[in-house]
Amino acid sequence: DTGVSQDPRHKITKRGQNVTFRCDPISEHNRLYWYRQTLGQGPEFLTYFQNEAQLEKSRLLSDRFSAERPKGSFSTLEIQRTEQGDSAMYLCASSLVGGTGVFGELFFGEGSRLTVL
Amino acid sequence: DQQVKQNSPSLSVQEGRISILNCDYTNSMFDYFLWYKKYPAEGPTFLISISSIKDKNEDGRFTVFLNKSAKHLSLHIVPSQPGDSAVYFCAASGNNDMRFGAGTRLTVKP
Repeated sequence: DTGVSQDPRHKITKRGQNVTFRCDPISEHNRLYWYRQTLGQGPEFLTYFQNEAQLEKSRLLSDRFSAERPKGSFSTLEIQRTEQGDSAMYLCASSLVGGTGVFGELFFGEGSRLTVL
Repeated sequence: DQQVKQNSPSLSVQEGRISILNCDYTNSMFDYFLWYKKYPAEGPTFLISISSIKDKNEDGRFTVFLNKSAKHLSLHIVPSQPGDSAVYFCAASGNNDMRFGAGTRLTVKP
């Protein structure tokens, strides 16, 4: 079990550029979540997938943001035309729903830190 | 729209004493509550949880108390150890998503 992995760990980009983050969840987990965390705040929910279906999106997820999980395994989060306000830590988490274990427990990756100059 | 609030941004306690971290929520639809611990440069890691049908859950040095009528939960750590120093996030789940508080930074002094 390698846990949830995210890539890249840190991305510095210029305003207006597009960025893409990748998340590889724990292999047997069927749910995958994206959160955003800014300094001094807790993680804010962005969206989640059950297998390949995107079931919920937060109003925080503007039309510049898009997330995919094409085969129900890894997921990508793309931000188009980045703005300085997009600078944050983007956290991915996965969970197993319907199996054994603690319901609602999310396993987080180490995050991808985005800095928009 | 902060549905989960941790009003104390920081807490400092002496090693061996009790640490009490507090959390309040506003949405009565939440039915599961969790505490996560976060070290620098790492993602949050699950610590302990409680279902809304219970008022207490204990796991070793960690106990979570839930007061549904007050929409309040707390995490007790006893005895506190220097390795417990981290940011603690309270989380509440319901309707398939999870909301987090802003976190409380706990410092345990040797």
